[in-house]
Amino acid sequence: KQEVTQIPAALSVPEGENLVLNCSFTDSAIYNLQWFRQDPGKGLTSLLLIQSSQREQTSGRLNASLDKSSGRSTLYIAASQPGDSATYLCAVEGNTPLVFGKGTRLSVIA
Amino acid sequence: GAVVSQHPSWVICKSGTSVKIECRSLDFQATTMFWYRQFPKQSLMLMATSNEGSKATYEQGVEKDKFLINHASLTLSTLTVTSAHPEDSSFYICSARNPGGLGNQPQHFGDGTRLSIL
Repeated sequence: KQEVTQIPAALSVPEGENLVLNCSFTDSAIYNLQWFRQDPGKGLTSLLLIQSSQREQTSGRLNASLDKSSGRSTLYIAASQPGDSATYLCAVEGNTPLVFGKGTRLSVIA
Repeated sequence: GAVVSQHPSWVICKSGTSVKIECRSLDFQATTMFWYRQFPKQSLMLMATSNEGSKATYEQGVEKDKFLINHASLTLSTLTVTSAHPEDSSFYICSARNPGGLGNQPQHFGDGTRLSIL
């Protein structure tokens, strides 16, 4: 059974810092890995999707990497802004639909 | 881009009431939609996979008679929480995939429905 773990559970940083969120998964037989953003009481916004054959994806200040063999992914956020404050969810898709981690709650302090 | 619309966004009702939540894909046809539930500060847990024109596939531990799913068209799936009780209070989110291969297309998520049972 696929399990997804995200570390840390919460993170608080001053504005402008670069930061890394971590995600690990137990079954490396995945089709893709996605990073989502969730604001309080809201649905999910897809940030990046990495296919199993890819190593990384970039969108603006966000960069996500995937090491399928070791079951790890990182989300790098450059020059963080208060507007980046949200919960970031990692999810993997394999033989079963998306399995989510519990998320990292990020606070960027102005 | 692809949009999934979920309605209503917030429901408050008395215990024993049945509540219907709609999930629509606005600009693509979705043969498969997914229903998730999220408790506070917890992850999204898949409840069921909704298949157009056939019965939904429920995850282990989810009562199919409690959570009725209907996927009558390629753009609409509904989740009905029957005889809802306070323990059913949660955040329910649907998603749909634009057909194009299992590993190619991401799931697009609705904005969720916050259900509060008094």
